[in-house]
Amino acid sequence: SQTIHQWPATLVQPVGSPLSLECTVEGTSNPNLYWYRQAAGRGLQLLFYSVGIGQISSEVPQNLSASRPQDRQFILSSKKLLLSDSGFYLCAGGGVTDTQYFGPGTRLTVL
Amino acid sequence: GEDVEQSLFLSVREGDSSVINCTYTDSSSTYLYWYKQEPGAGLQLLTYIFSNMDMKQDQRLTVLLNKKDKHLSLRIADTQTGDSAIYFCAERDYSSASKIIFGSGTRLSIRP
Repeated sequence: SQTIHQWPATLVQPVGSPLSLECTVEGTSNPNLYWYRQAAGRGLQLLFYSVGIGQISSEVPQNLSASRPQDRQFILSSKKLLLSDSGFYLCAGGGVTDTQYFGPGTRLTVL
Repeated sequence: GEDVEQSLFLSVREGDSSVINCTYTDSSSTYLYWYKQEPGAGLQLLTYIFSNMDMKQDQRLTVLLNKKDKHLSLRIADTQTGDSAIYFCAERDYSSASKIIFGSGTRLSIRP
């Protein structure tokens, strides 16, 4: 089965600073990859998904972007963070039955 | 569009059964899932059911699917304190080969 790695685990950034969160996948090739955001006490909001290198679909307009430079690497970025970008960011990879396996998450606090 | 709905909270006594319910709208869903999220952690896949099945059992977990009513449930037998978590129901979005739609999650709390 696949394993999803994410880092860092926690991050505190000032408003207006850039962001780069990295996700890598082990144990599979050509996975579908996903970025979700979970606000405190809320459900999951799908931000981006990718079905292959360089292919990114955006679900929600915002000041975040995603890139997939390699098959098993998915990066979430921002040029200038907003307070509203705070949340718990989860990366997930799609499996054989389209089940999604999740990474441990990154808790981002923007001050 | 597709939607998945769950109640937000459920409280059960330790040792009793927990039943978490979910309704979905996409009648062409192929897979339906239950995930568990413990505090501060990612989501852990508990089980999934293919849409041509009515029931799936895995140890203490029983999933029931009523396709006519678009209703999915997760029953946890002999609920333990370690079962305290948020449980997410999800369906595969058939209109998009890649997306899975999640419910907002049900927070299960266990009382002694």
